[in-house]
Amino acid sequence: GAGVSQSPRYKVAKRGQDVALRCDPISGHVSLFWYQQALGQGPEFLTYFQNEAQLDKSGLPSDRFFAERPEGSVSTLKIQRTQQEDSAVYLCASPPDRGPDTQYFGPGTRLTVL
Amino acid sequence: ELKVEQNPLFLSMQEGKNYTIYCNYSTTSDRLYWYRQDPGKSLESLFVLLSNGAVKQEGRLMASLDTKARLSTLHITAAVHDLSATYFCAVDKVARDDKIIFGKGTRLHILP
Repeated sequence: GAGVSQSPRYKVAKRGQDVALRCDPISGHVSLFWYQQALGQGPEFLTYFQNEAQLDKSGLPSDRFFAERPEGSVSTLKIQRTQQEDSAVYLCASPPDRGPDTQYFGPGTRLTVL
Repeated sequence: ELKVEQNPLFLSMQEGKNYTIYCNYSTTSDRLYWYRQDPGKSLESLFVLLSNGAVKQEGRLMASLDTKARLSTLHITAAVHDLSATYFCAVDKVARDDKIIFGKGTRLHILP
C-alpha cells in the first residue's frame, strides 16, 4: 500500500479486557514506531522496532503493554487488562530508510476504555 | 532529557492576520519537524528543518530554525479559515533510530 495503515480505527473496551492494535507499515520500511496520544496532548513515544528487533521500549507505560513485530513487517501493540487511563489514540509511524525525510504516521486507533 | 515547548498553546485569530508560533527545545537535535493535525485525524508532515538558518515555505506557512537559540518558528501569513488545526513541533536526536519528541501542540482557530 501507499501509506501506513492501522486497524481497527476505533476500539471500545471494558476495563480489564485485553486489546490488540495492528499496524501495517509502508512496505519495505525497516523502522517502525508506536506513539500514544492522549486527548489534547502531543504524541508520546512508546516503542521502536528495527525489522523484528525491538530496540527501545522505554516509553511503554507499564508491563501491561506489549508490542511485537515477528516478521519485520506488521506490528501488533497489545494492552492487557485495560484501564481507563489507557484511553488514547495509538499512532504507528514508519520512516523511510534513507534521506532526511519525516516519519509517516498512520491514521491511528482510538481506544476508549469504559 | 530532550524537551520541546511550544507557545502559545491556544491561539484564536482573525482571517487576514499574521502570527507566529514558537518552539523551543532543550538540547541539540538533528531534525526539527512541524506537523499539522486536524480533529480526529492523524499527523500531516509540513516541514523538516535540518540545519541552522533553514527556512522553508509552503503557501501561507513558513518555518525557520535557529539551532544556536534552539528555536523554531512557524509563521502564518494572511491566515485563512482552512488553516485552523493543531500544529505540533517535534525534534529527534539520532538519525531515524531514535524517537521523536513532540511539543504539546498549538491549537489554532481562525475566525472567518
